[in-house]
Amino acid sequence: LAKTTQPISMDSYEGQEVNITCSHNNIATNDYITWYQQFPSQGPRFIIQGYKTKVTNEVASLFIPADRKSSTLSLPRVSLSDTAVYYCLVGVNNDMRFGAGTRLTVKP
Amino acid sequence: NAGVTQTPKFQVLKTGQSMTLQCAQDMNHNSMYWYRQDPGMGLRLIYYSASEGTTDKGEVPNGYNVSRLNKREFSLRLESAAPSQTSVYFCASSWTGRNEKLFFGSGTQLSVL
Repeated sequence: LAKTTQPISMDSYEGQEVNITCSHNNIATNDYITWYQQFPSQGPRFIIQGYKTKVTNEVASLFIPADRKSSTLSLPRVSLSDTAVYYCLVGVNNDMRFGAGTRLTVKP
Repeated sequence: NAGVTQTPKFQVLKTGQSMTLQCAQDMNHNSMYWYRQDPGMGLRLIYYSASEGTTDKGEVPNGYNVSRLNKREFSLRLESAAPSQTSVYFCASSWTGRNEKLFFGSGTQLSVL
């Protein structure tokens, strides 16, 4: 199970772009990188997954460098409603363990 | 589709009481999970079931038992509740295999007095 490291917390302001980096030095060849978002009092929800280079969907972008030892979740033009905890998971089987995640606070 | 449904949403127990948290999914997923989340903390895996008929311990299994009743349902039982088990409990499901994404229920807030 690849260990991941993320910042514990980040602050931002409305309208800014937010980048959250996750390091995963021992990622395996067939591992994907998956990010989840959790709002207060709700279960986490999947937001994006990628293997290499760049993935974009309606919510976020995921940048993965060639060595795949880290990844960056990018949230464009955040709003107050993006205040949440963001979790990075790498290459899990059924023993899916979440770390503490990154608590993002968006301020007006 | 309802996705993952958990019952009850709230529960208050006295120390020593027992109860079962229910979880059902309608996505035909093979794997199901129980997590707990304490205030301000990340999720911790209690038990998981990779497929019908199998269950395995996660990070924090002590004080809990699980039953994979069928492919749809995965229950979590507290035999003798303790105040340390006060937490929010989340059930999740996924297809089996590496890199599969999880779908979560809305949680059960449990208080043990």
